[in-house]
Amino acid sequence: DTGVSQDPRHKITKRGQNVTFRCDPISEHNRLYWYRQTLGQGPEFLTYFQNEAQLEKSRLLSDRFSAERPKGSFSTLEIQRTEQGDSAMYLCASRGDRGSGNTGELFFGEGSRLTVL
Amino acid sequence: GNSVTQMEGPVTLSEEAFLTINCTYTATGYPSLFWYVQYPGEGLQLLLKATKADDKGSNKGFEATYRKETTSFHLEKGSVQVSDSAVYFCALKNTGTASKLTFGTGTRLQVTL
Repeated sequence: DTGVSQDPRHKITKRGQNVTFRCDPISEHNRLYWYRQTLGQGPEFLTYFQNEAQLEKSRLLSDRFSAERPKGSFSTLEIQRTEQGDSAMYLCASRGDRGSGNTGELFFGEGSRLTVL
Repeated sequence: GNSVTQMEGPVTLSEEAFLTINCTYTATGYPSLFWYVQYPGEGLQLLLKATKADDKGSNKGFEATYRKETTSFHLEKGSVQVSDSAVYFCALKNTGTASKLTFGTGTRLQVTL
């Protein structure tokens, strides 16, 4: 499968613990996005990378959240000192630049569900 | 700021019924509009899009027309199938926002035999 893959699919943790999610985008895609989706809501933008550069961060991304894309390929999203309000589905998406067969469409992974007890 | 409002679900229809899911938006400028679909256990998939006023996006029998005068992008399908059961999200992207999408809350569609 050459789609966007995310790991783990589901993480259960206790309040105060740190968690890390990984996203592997489609290999030729230089742009990578993280979204958060809470129950009954649509996805909300968190942050965006072009290659290894983090170009935009939402105000939703508090100091406890950090995202990296060190080599411009996979990305990690770490949440420190988790709180119950962090319980959500964390979605990763990627896209390539328009041209060379790319339409600019955003491709989403299946998400990583976080449950904070 | 940008926002998208969708009709609340669930929407329950019998197979072969006509579907409309309403979507209205608020945005500055001239956004692109999208419908995404999320089938059970799968990631979001782009269903269709429209990039300017009066454009009609279509795919898999679904259609939506970009109506600037009513700031709407309603999703329609003439005859739904059980396999169309999913959650449908309306979304917008403003120009120059690097594919940052603003989503509605989603509408669950359940199609029964």
